Amino acid sequence: AQSVAQPEDQVNVAEGNPLTVKCTYSVSGNPYLFWYVQYPNRGLQFLLKYITGDNLVKGSYGFEAEFNKSQTSFHLKKPSALVSDSALYFCAVRDGKGGATNKLIFGTGTLLAVQP
Amino acid sequence: DTAVSQTPKYLVTQMGNDKSIKCEQNLGHDTMYWYKQDSKKFLKIMFSYNNKELIINETVPNRFSPKSPDKAHLNLHINSLELGDSAVYFCASSQSAGAGNTIYFGEGSWLTVV
Repeated sequence: AQSVAQPEDQVNVAEGNPLTVKCTYSVSGNPYLFWYVQYPNRGLQFLLKYITGDNLVKGSYGFEAEFNKSQTSFHLKKPSALVSDSALYFCAVRDGKGGATNKLIFGTGTLLAVQP
Repeated sequence: DTAVSQTPKYLVTQMGNDKSIKCEQNLGHDTMYWYKQDSKKFLKIMFSYNNKELIINETVPNRFSPKSPDKAHLNLHINSLELGDSAVYFCASSQSAGAGNTIYFGEGSWLTVV
């Protein structure tokens, strides 16, 4: 069965510093990995995804994520955090094995707090 | 131009009532979903439709019944509402049901059962 883990409930970082939000996954087939962000009282916004190819994926708002197959990780990163990046971040995985009935499984979310 | 829109955004209702949440997408996508986010922000899929056909049906009480009149719409009807149904319900869509397709979410419908 597929699963995804976000080990940190909250990440605190000062504005201007680099940030990392961690994610690890488990699938039986090839992983399809996604990051979403949720601002208070809003829906989920897609940030980026890894399907295949280059392990470093660039996405919206200056975010990027690195796929590491050996460590089964897909950590979200940004070189310089902004206060406006403060939000709830979700990692999600879908197993490439099994076709259309495979579900997008979400992690428990990591609250990113960027201090001015 | 909202891509995935759902109504109502906020809904407060009494236990035992029946309510519906409507969802429409203007992206031309074939696949639509309903997700539930509980009070701890945990997200879980409820249903998925591909070209109006149900393809994912999670272990959801049969008081929840999705209806897809066409590819652009996926409504959620809930009978005999219970306190535990209080949550945020997200409608979503993707180009197709393939694993690599990005799923785009609506703004959510906040349901409170009192």
